[in-house]
Amino acid sequence: GESVGLHLPTLSVQEGDNSIINCAYSNSASDYFIWYKQESGKGPQFIIDIRSNMDKRQGQRVTVLLNKTVKHLSLQIAATQPGDSAVYFCADVVAGNQFYFGTGTSLTVIP
Amino acid sequence: SAVISQKPSRDICQRGTSLTIQCQVDSQVTMMFWYRQQPGQSLTLIATANQGSEATYESGFVIDKFPISRPNLTFSTLTVSNMSPEDSSIYLCSVESLGATTNEKLFFGSGTQLSVL
Repeated sequence: GESVGLHLPTLSVQEGDNSIINCAYSNSASDYFIWYKQESGKGPQFIIDIRSNMDKRQGQRVTVLLNKTVKHLSLQIAATQPGDSAVYFCADVVAGNQFYFGTGTSLTVIP
Repeated sequence: SAVISQKPSRDICQRGTSLTIQCQVDSQVTMMFWYRQQPGQSLTLIATANQGSEATYESGFVIDKFPISRPNLTFSTLTVSNMSPEDSSIYLCSVESLGATTNEKLFFGSGTQLSVL
C-alpha cells in the first residue's frame, strides 16, 4: 500500500538559517507531490508542488527537490523566519485525485 | 481557488453526545471531503461528500458514526455521533478546486478541534 513518511518529527532552527524537511514515499505511480504548511489552529495551506517528471522546483524562499531513484522529497526553506514555525506535510498524489499525507514535521524557529 | 468556512472552530463535548460540523464554500465545488487529524498523526480521509447521493466512506469509517450531508454544491456537514474520548481530534473539511495561480488542487478549512470528555 501507499505510505508517505517523514524522517524527523521535529526540527528546530535558528532564525536566518536554512531549514530542510524530508519526506519518503513508496508509490511509484505518483502524479505529483505537494508540501503543505499547517499553523496552529489552522488547516493545511499549499506551499509548493512538484510534478513527478521534475527534479527541482523553486518558489519564494522555498525549494522542493525530488529524487525518484530513492523516492525522497525535501522542502528547503531559505533564511527561516519565526513565521515559518508550523507543521509541514508532504502529500503524494496518485491518479490526480488520491492524496496520501505524511505525518508532518514540526518546525520551530528560534529567534 | 476556494475559500472555506468551517464551524465550530473548537468544541468540548460530553461522551455519548453528537456534534455536527458545518462546511461552507464560497463557490460551487463538485468534490468535498472530510478528514480527521489525530494528535501527532497524518490526515486520514473519512469520506467523500457527494451532492445528491450518499457519502462514500473510507475503510474504518461508517455512516452510523459519521453521518454526512451534502444538500448542495457549496455546503456539507459532518456529524460525529455517540462520541467517546477516542474521537478527540481535529476534523477538516476540504474541497477540490483549481488554484488561481498555482497547481493547488485541494483546499482546507481551518478545522474543528474536538475534545471529548
